Amino acid sequence: ETGVTQTPRHLVMGMTNKKSLKCEQHLGHNAMYWYKQSAKKPLELMFVYNFKEQTENNSVPSRFSPECPNSSHLFLHLHTLQPEDSALYLCASSQDYWGVNSPLHFGNGTRLTVT
Amino acid sequence: GENVEQHPSTLSVQEGDSAVIKCTYSDSASNYFPWYKQELGKGPQLIIDIRSNVGEKKDQRIAVTLNKTAKHFSLHITETQPEDSAVYFCAATYTDKLIFGTGTRLQVFP
Repeated sequence: ETGVTQTPRHLVMGMTNKKSLKCEQHLGHNAMYWYKQSAKKPLELMFVYNFKEQTENNSVPSRFSPECPNSSHLFLHLHTLQPEDSALYLCASSQDYWGVNSPLHFGNGTRLTVT
Repeated sequence: GENVEQHPSTLSVQEGDSAVIKCTYSDSASNYFPWYKQELGKGPQLIIDIRSNVGEKKDQRIAVTLNKTAKHFSLHITETQPEDSAVYFCAATYTDKLIFGTGTRLQVFP
């Protein structure tokens, strides 16, 4: 148990579908992050939330829409995705913003396949 | 721009041997260098980290060394075991963000 739970673990969706990824952290952390992990590429930061406020949008296309209703929950809403969006989407949390003084805790990810 | 280079991309060792993974960073202001281990089907987990005011840190069979002048840091795993097989990521801070390397797939053969 990592303390950061992501659902679903696997998701297959068509390019016209709308779906959402969910992340929940049970660690009492204040900051939450979405990362994209593609094969042979560095982890790509997508969004950062600190105390429920979005502090970073790393030039992510608008077909990805984050939502953070409270410090424990983070969603990533998906619509009209492209096949190149297929990847492992990782959620992470840290006690403080950016985890330099408090490490990132990752969930096990959602494996997304866009057909 | 920010960049963290990690080598090698794959590493195979015999059980009991040592493994070394190296990373180079570009920002001389970087001050925090964590290492993450990602097992199959799981998210990355922090295994050790080092700050710029320290040259070396050990935790049982793993150690990290930092050379600020050369801007590189390394992960050392001694007495490797099959359960050490995983993908390892280094990271370095860049303007307070964490920039990750591309990962090293370590395979430990019995």
